[in-house]
Amino acid sequence: EAGVAQSPRYKIIEKRQSVAFWCNPISGHATLYWYQQILGQGPKLLIQFQNNGVVDDSQLPKDRFSAERLKGVDSTLKIQPAKLEDSAVYLCASSPLGGGQHNEQFFGPGTRLTVL
Amino acid sequence: GENVEQHPSTLSVQEGDSAVIKCTYSDSASNYFPWYKQELGKRPQLIIDIRSNVGEKKDQRIAVTLNKTAKHFSLHITETQPEDSAVYFCAAKARGSTLGRLYFGRGTQLTVWP
Repeated sequence: EAGVAQSPRYKIIEKRQSVAFWCNPISGHATLYWYQQILGQGPKLLIQFQNNGVVDDSQLPKDRFSAERLKGVDSTLKIQPAKLEDSAVYLCASSPLGGGQHNEQFFGPGTRLTVL
Repeated sequence: GENVEQHPSTLSVQEGDSAVIKCTYSDSASNYFPWYKQELGKRPQLIIDIRSNVGEKKDQRIAVTLNKTAKHFSLHITETQPEDSAVYFCAAKARGSTLGRLYFGRGTQLTVWP
């Protein structure tokens, strides 16, 4: 099966600029996650969708980050305005089920963001 | 929320030797513990996982053990090969937490020397 797709793969912007990332999960996967992975650290969950509804955005800096998952398929993550500390790899993941069941999260290749 | 600590941060072994990575977690309600392997510039990939009703699980050269009382779990890789070189992340998910949310450790950079 096709994996999780993300674009762009790399992005370089200046601070205070805006940027958007796109994710296409594995077909049929109900749950979609956006993670931030800062160099040398493990992924940190930013937001989780089940179908097109948000189930966890407690770690999302809502003053500058936003995300949506229209129609319960593709998702976009936006940063506006960007700060230097937003430099990281942004990983999208999807899993077949939600509901607290244990099921593998499949990760996309990530978008490496550099904020200058 | 859950807090996952992972040690060591770097690990170097000779090809053929064993490697052990250890993680501790804080939330006694955590009940699912996956391990991910991330090669340089690539996506994390699940290599093995364990549920809280099991103490040990093996898959060829890799195994994971879980001690619920001590709240720690470990990854064991035997007969290491150069292609095992990567960053390994442990994670934990609490039964009572938001649906499917994983808390990751900081990662272990494993280097296997030929």
